[in-house]
Amino acid sequence: GAVVSQHPSRVICKSGTSVKIECRSLDFQATTMFWYRQFPKQSLMLMATSNEGSKATYEQGVEKDKFLINHASLTLSTLTVTSAHPEDSSFYICSGVVPLAGNNEQFFGPGTRLTVL
Amino acid sequence: AQKVTQAQTEISVVEKEDVTLDCVYETRDTTYYLFWYKQPPSGELVFLIRRNSFDEQNEISGRYSWNFQKSTSSFNFTITASQVVDSAVYFCALSEVVTLRAAGNKLTFGGGTRVLVKP
Repeated sequence: GAVVSQHPSRVICKSGTSVKIECRSLDFQATTMFWYRQFPKQSLMLMATSNEGSKATYEQGVEKDKFLINHASLTLSTLTVTSAHPEDSSFYICSGVVPLAGNNEQFFGPGTRLTVL
Repeated sequence: AQKVTQAQTEISVVEKEDVTLDCVYETRDTTYYLFWYKQPPSGELVFLIRRNSFDEQNEISGRYSWNFQKSTSSFNFTITASQVVDSAVYFCALSEVVTLRAAGNKLTFGGGTRVLVKP
């Protein structure tokens, strides 16, 4: 299957700082990527849909000014958590979709664990 | 709106026992995809199966089997002869087919079932 990487895998930061998470499709071009958030012992919740060359679409309740998404190329989407606070501590997972595959399969990255002190 | 319910939050079994994970979904669409993923302690999601709404055949892959019943909107997953390595959280997910292109079709996840297999 297609491979998606995330960087960093783990980050610890101080409250008030901004953190950037990268999501890369390594062997395919992803016109669409999804960003999910998973709090401890909970399910994955979709945060936003990232579209190459256009603005991201955010799910209800997700602050677009706090979670900045940039999808500048067909292989890279970034999520920036601005002015992070302890409640933003979570596991962030991205996924990419192989265009025109017709099977709705998303390929997930390994996730980024964010801890805000 | 689509919804996926996994009523069992945690299941504990002894090795070699069979375990069945329930998944019930809600959708207004007639065309959709259903998935099962495994999430081991490392956190990375492992794809297990995809089933489209027109294919109601049950499937078996090694010790894994799936029972799709459209009439009851259920897509249950059975692990036969469980092993300690099966210990993980398992998620059922639903994707409505908004367009024929794969891009843009969001996944809705169930709450997950934590499976603990004891030696």
